[in-house]
Amino acid sequence: AQSVTQLDSHVSVSEGTPVLLRCNYSSSYSPSLFWYVQHPNKGLQLLLKYTSAATLVKGINGFEAEFKKSETSFHLTKPSAHMSDAAEYFCVVTELSSGGYNKLIFGAGTRLAVHP
Amino acid sequence: DTAVSQTPKYLVTQMGNDKSIKCEQNLGHDTMYWYKQDSKKFLKIMFSYNNKELIINETVPNRFSPKSPDKAHLNLHINSLELGDSAVYFCASSHERGGLKTQYFGPGTRLLVL
Repeated sequence: AQSVTQLDSHVSVSEGTPVLLRCNYSSSYSPSLFWYVQHPNKGLQLLLKYTSAATLVKGINGFEAEFKKSETSFHLTKPSAHMSDAAEYFCVVTELSSGGYNKLIFGAGTRLAVHP
Repeated sequence: DTAVSQTPKYLVTQMGNDKSIKCEQNLGHDTMYWYKQDSKKFLKIMFSYNNKELIINETVPNRFSPKSPDKAHLNLHINSLELGDSAVYFCASSHERGGLKTQYFGPGTRLLVL
């Protein structure tokens, strides 16, 4: 079964400093990986996705992630945090259901706090 | 215009009651999903429908019954509500035919069972 592990449940940074949210995956085949963001009391929004094209993936709001097969990692980064980045971030891997359809397997989430 | 909408946004009810949550998408997608997010923010898929056909059914109690009257709607009916059903339920949709596509999520329905 596919799985993702988000290595930090909470990350706190100062505004203007870099952001690093760590994610490791476990997959028996070449995975598709996503990062979703959830702002307080809101639904989830896709930040970026990796689907076996370029290993460095650029997303919205200045975020990017690098797929590293040798390290089974898909860490999310941003050069300079903004107050509006404070949210819950989910690393997600796809898994084939018994019927052959893709389903999303979510990590436990990382809460990002941004301080002035 | 809202792409994926859910009603109601909040639902407070007593144990043992039966309730429904509705979801509609205006994106023209062929696949819709229900997810449950527990109090620790853990998200897990419950069901998925493709063109009104059930394609994913995780090990969810049979008190939960999804229904898709058409491609744009996926409703969730819950019988005999229990305290453990308290959670946020998210609907999502995507275009799955031809490959993996992005899932678009609704704003969530916050269910509290007393």
